[in-house]
Amino acid sequence: GAVVSQHPSWVICKSGTSVKIECRSLDFQATTMFWYRQFPKQSLMLMATSNEGSKATYEQGVEKDKFLINHASLTLSTLTVTSAHPEDSSFYICSAHSSLNYHQPQHFGDGTRLSIL
Amino acid sequence: GEDVEQSLFLSVREGDSSVINCTYTDSSSTYLYWYKQEPGAGLQLLTYIFSNMDMKQDQRLTVLLNKKDKHLSLRIADTQTGDSAIYFCAESYNNNDMRFGAGTRLTVKP
Repeated sequence: GAVVSQHPSWVICKSGTSVKIECRSLDFQATTMFWYRQFPKQSLMLMATSNEGSKATYEQGVEKDKFLINHASLTLSTLTVTSAHPEDSSFYICSAHSSLNYHQPQHFGDGTRLSIL
Repeated sequence: GEDVEQSLFLSVREGDSSVINCTYTDSSSTYLYWYKQEPGAGLQLLTYIFSNMDMKQDQRLTVLLNKKDKHLSLRIADTQTGDSAIYFCAESYNNNDMRFGAGTRLTVKP
């Protein structure tokens, strides 16, 4: 089945650091990638949708200058949390979808736990 | 906005069947999904069903869809301790814009 790899799985860093999270589709071309945030014991909250080669579309309330998303190739999207602060600590999950396989659901990465000290 | 609702907790004994229920409000939903999330992990797609189907079975998993009532259920037969996790119901019109329920925490007691 389709595999999405997310790296790193866990990051601990100091306040003010910028952190980059990678999301790769390993065996299919991801025309669209999604970034979600999940707070403890809560559901997933969509942050942004990125289409390959285009600017990401951010959900209301998500700061685009804070959460930089790049989707430069059909297999890689990155989320950079700039100047991270403790309130940015969360579980970030990416997913990928291919318009070539429209009827196939999104496939999710294993998530990145971000802890800002 | 459109909602997806599911009960937050379910506890069953090992070997029993588990039934997790979900309701949604968007009548244009075309795809309905069940995902499993284990602690500290991402979402694992368990199964999904098209809105023109009533039922889908895959080994121990049975999905039932009542489109009229906008009710989706996931039945896990012979539930094992390894099935303990959070189960998310989700729906979408196009596999892009997905709406998730809050998740049902399934606890399986030995």
